[in-house]
Amino acid sequence: IAGITQAPTSQILAAGRRMTLRCTQDMRHNAMYWYRQDLGLGLRLIHYSNTAGTTGKGEVPDGYSVSRANTDDFPLTLASAVPSQTSVYFCASSLRSGENTEAFFGQGTRLTVV
Amino acid sequence: GQNIDQPTEMTATEGAIVQINCTYQTSGFNGLFWYQQHAGEAPTFLSYNVLDGLEEKGRFSSFLSRSKGYSYLLLKELQMKDSASYLCAVMDSNYQLIWGAGTKLIIKP
Repeated sequence: IAGITQAPTSQILAAGRRMTLRCTQDMRHNAMYWYRQDLGLGLRLIHYSNTAGTTGKGEVPDGYSVSRANTDDFPLTLASAVPSQTSVYFCASSLRSGENTEAFFGQGTRLTVV
Repeated sequence: GQNIDQPTEMTATEGAIVQINCTYQTSGFNGLFWYQQHAGEAPTFLSYNVLDGLEEKGRFSSFLSRSKGYSYLLLKELQMKDSASYLCAVMDSNYQLIWGAGTKLIIKP
């Protein structure tokens, strides 16, 4: 693994199903983030984690949950998917939270909820 | 509320110069970032400004005026590979990034 990896790359999901998007980084970054990107809108923060063992809510957390059991992994779970959760999801990490901290992004997961 | 404004789309010619503007209204300011995103790919970091003035990095430069809530990204000697979306993001008082919708830059030969 080099950098930050997301899985799956794409997924079609039936409404009401549970889904976990995986994110792993090998850069020993303290901070990790989940964003969604929708056409015509900026990246919107779903949840974040400043360090292993802590998580926080972003701008659009409803319907999503996260965990940060260790430094490397930051999975995002949709408990019961709805069509409005159709989006491209990006996981990102940075050395620490705070100013002048460049974020590195995974390649994204394209999720379609039908 | 917090708001980042950038033009939706711009067109420029290969070899020319283009300036992409970004204006912002946020709760506090802890720096402004520019990212490049090619279609279907992840955003990648271009620049960071926290003090007023111009930061130059090769063909790309970024300018910040905190008093005006304004930044621009200047791309010189445009190449076809510069066709991408350019995302402006501001770090607010809670150290969270607020993102603009991005400017799609189309380069024509």
